[in-house]
Parts: sequence; structure tokens; C-alpha cells
Amino acid sequence: AQSVTQLDSHVSVSEGTPVLLRCNYSSSYSPSLFWYVQHPNKGLQLLLKYTSAATLVKGINGFEAEFKKSETSFHLTKPSAHMSDAAEYFCVVSELGDYKLSFGAGTTVTVRA
Amino acid sequence: DTAVSQTPKYLVTQMGNDKSIKCEQNLGHDTMYWYKQDSKKFLKIMFSYNNKELIINETVPNRFSPKSPDKAHLNLHINSLELGDSAVYFCASSQDLRNEQFFGPGTRLTVL
Repeated sequence: AQSVTQLDSHVSVSEGTPVLLRCNYSSSYSPSLFWYVQHPNKGLQLLLKYTSAATLVKGINGFEAEFKKSETSFHLTKPSAHMSDAAEYFCVVSELGDYKLSFGAGTTVTVRA
Repeated sequence: DTAVSQTPKYLVTQMGNDKSIKCEQNLGHDTMYWYKQDSKKFLKIMFSYNNKELIINETVPNRFSPKSPDKAHLNLHINSLELGDSAVYFCASSQDLRNEQFFGPGTRLTVL
């Protein structure tokens, strides 16, 4: 069975500085990995996904994530934070042969002006 | 144009009542899901239907019953509502079980 650990429950950054959201996963088989963002009072929106192609994945709004099998990590980064990036971020894993996604507990990002 | 829509957006009701939340997707997807998000933002899957067949049924009280009249709809009916049912419920859909899911805007259920 797969699982996800988001290492930071809350990340605070200044506008214009880099953002790093850390995610470790456990999976018995080849995982698919996703990052979703949830803005206040909104549904979840897919930022990017990894499905065994390139290990560096580019997503929307300048985000990217790198799949590192040796470290079982899928950290999300953005070089320059914007005020609109303030939201909840979820790292998600699904496993071949399983029928469901496993969500991390989420990381709340606040951006200081 | 909304890909995944839910109604109602807000639902306030008394304990013991029965209520339904409706979900529709116009993406042509085969798979639909219901999630519950608690006050700490933790998301937990409740049900999944693939081509109108139930394929995921997590440990959810049997007061919760999903119904899928066709591939584009997955409704959630809740009997005898309890205080602990208060949460945001999200519907989602995906092309198949491995692909990314598209989420609806959520229904905030408050049980008084």
C-alpha cells in the first residue's frame, strides 16, 4: 500500500523568494505522483503529475517537482513566490494496481509582502 | 463550462435529517469519486465508481449511500445526519483509475 508524508505542515515565504514543499512517499510498485493546490474555499486543482516519464516535471504557475526514486521524494519548488501562491498544497500518490489516491496531510503556504 | 459541478455549495441542516449532494461531470470521464475533507484539511476518499459500478467503498458509515444513475453523475445521500458529518465534501472525476482527478468546488455541510 502507498502512503505520503508531507514534511512541513506550514511554510511561510516572502514574495519573490523561492518556495520548497517537501514530500516523501512509500510505494510498493511504480507510483504516479501528483501535486494539487487548494485555494481558500475552492476545490483542488492539479499543479503537475509524474507518471514514469521525465523525472523533472513542470507544472502550471511556474511550479516544478523532481521525482527522486532513491530518496522516495517528490518535492515541489517555485523559484519566486507570488502572493497568489498562498494556498494549501497536497502531495498525492497512486500505485499501479490500486484504485485510489493517497493524499498527504497538506502544507499551508503563506506569502508575506 | 464547469467541468465538475456540485450542488448545493452550502448545506445547513439539523441532526437526524436526510440530505443529498449532487455531482455532475461533463468531461466524459469513466470514474467518479467522493471525498470528505475535515476541519484540518485532511482529505479522505469515501467512494469511487467506475462506469457506474462501485469500486472503492472505504470505511464509511452505511448512512452514506452513493448513487450513480449514469457515468456523468454521482450523488451522495446521507441518512440520519450527525454532528460529525460536518465537513466539506468534494466530488471528483478522472478518465480512469490512474489518471489525475478533476475536483468539484465542494459542498460545505454543517450539521446543527
